Amino acid sequence: NAGVTQTPKFRVLKTGQSMTLLCAQDMNHEYMYWYRQDPGMGLRLIHYSVGEGTTAKGEVPDGYNVSRLKKQNFLLGLESAAPSQTSVYFCASRELTDTQYFGPGTRLTVL
Amino acid sequence: AQSVTQLDSQVPVFEEAPVELRCNYSSSVSVYLFWYVQYPNQGLQLLLKYLSGSTLVESINGFEAEFNKSQTSFHLRKPSVHISDTAEYFCAVSALNTGTASKLTFGTGTRLQVTL
Repeated sequence: NAGVTQTPKFRVLKTGQSMTLLCAQDMNHEYMYWYRQDPGMGLRLIHYSVGEGTTAKGEVPDGYNVSRLKKQNFLLGLESAAPSQTSVYFCASRELTDTQYFGPGTRLTVL
Repeated sequence: AQSVTQLDSQVPVFEEAPVELRCNYSSSVSVYLFWYVQYPNQGLQLLLKYLSGSTLVESINGFEAEFNKSQTSFHLRKPSVHISDTAEYFCAVSALNTGTASKLTFGTGTRLQVTL
């Protein structure tokens, strides 16, 4: 039981490049979330999903897209990266009792 | 909407001393409350949570937090800290049964630095 895994762990992009971050969970959770963590700002919700095939916007969705084609996977895409998207990205999944389980994070730098 | 305030961005403390990390929240509906801990270069781990019942909740490593509805607080305490408690601590809330997919709202975090 690996819990929540994220790939890649680190990535450096140039402005305008695109990439996809993959989140996978093996706990059969319905709910999945993508957050970004910036110094002094805590974690902010980007997008979330309440089940396979569904997605919804969070607090800071601009510049990101997501897809949930399979229940266990939640993908976060950056179509045209900007320096403001330099951050640490965390994925989480949730059980019925509202506890969210977090992945180890992806550190993204956009030059 | 909910909001969380962690007034202390950093708390330095000596080993074996007591510590309190403060958390206040604002919400127009009932909430669940959480404390998460983040060790350096790692993801967040659940430390403890309040869902219902006893207002005093405890973690397996000696932390405790008390839900105070009248003061809208959920402060985290430990009577004697260890070097290994050095980490960043996040308070979070989610609205109770509002169909909002239980989105968590986080505070900005408190860095606990334990020294000898």
